[in-house]
Amino acid sequence: GNSVTQMEGPVTLSEEAFLTINCTYTATGYPSLFWYVQYPGEGLQLLLKATKADDKGSNKGFEATYRKETTSFHLEKGSVQVSDSAVYFCALSDPGSGNQFYFGTGTSLTVIP
Amino acid sequence: GAVVSQHPSRVICKSGTSVKIECRSLDFQATTMFWYRQFPKQSLMLMATSNEGSKATYEQGVEKDKFLINHASLTLSTLTVTSAHPEDSSFYICSADDRENYGYTFGSGTRLTVV
Repeated sequence: GNSVTQMEGPVTLSEEAFLTINCTYTATGYPSLFWYVQYPGEGLQLLLKATKADDKGSNKGFEATYRKETTSFHLEKGSVQVSDSAVYFCALSDPGSGNQFYFGTGTSLTVIP
Repeated sequence: GAVVSQHPSRVICKSGTSVKIECRSLDFQATTMFWYRQFPKQSLMLMATSNEGSKATYEQGVEKDKFLINHASLTLSTLTVTSAHPEDSSFYICSADDRENYGYTFGSGTRLTVV
């Protein structure tokens, strides 16, 4: 079946530190992969996505590369800011399952000045 | 960009009463909307898929008579939690397929507390 395993948090970093949030997946078909961000009191916002192997999604300094060989989609950012404090969700969408979304458990990130 | 409005953002209700949550696509039409539930420190779990003009499709283990879904128009889906109990307290969030975004646009969520 389809599932997403995400690094547990919470993660606390100092401003300008390097961020990695690990995400691995299992899928029966050829999924698309996503990272969503949830700021306090708000809904989920699409951060970036990749639709096929070796694609790199990027947005706002965040990057993630679709690695089929390791079934991973790790989120990285070279220099985090206080405004990046949020909960990050890794997700996959499997066309073979009617494009249903499967989410990881979320990783809470706090960036301190 | 595409916006999905969810209302209310927070609601407290007494045990045994019903609560309605609205999900509206503001600048696009959504033939399909999705309802998720998020327990504390857990991931979002799909509850049901709401289809405009037809019955919702519920995920296994979700009581369709307790969580009533109505998708009467291309811009509005409602989730009604009937005869709510404290164990129904959770964060409910909807999403709609805006096609362009292909990742779906999510509402801001509703925090339901049943006392």
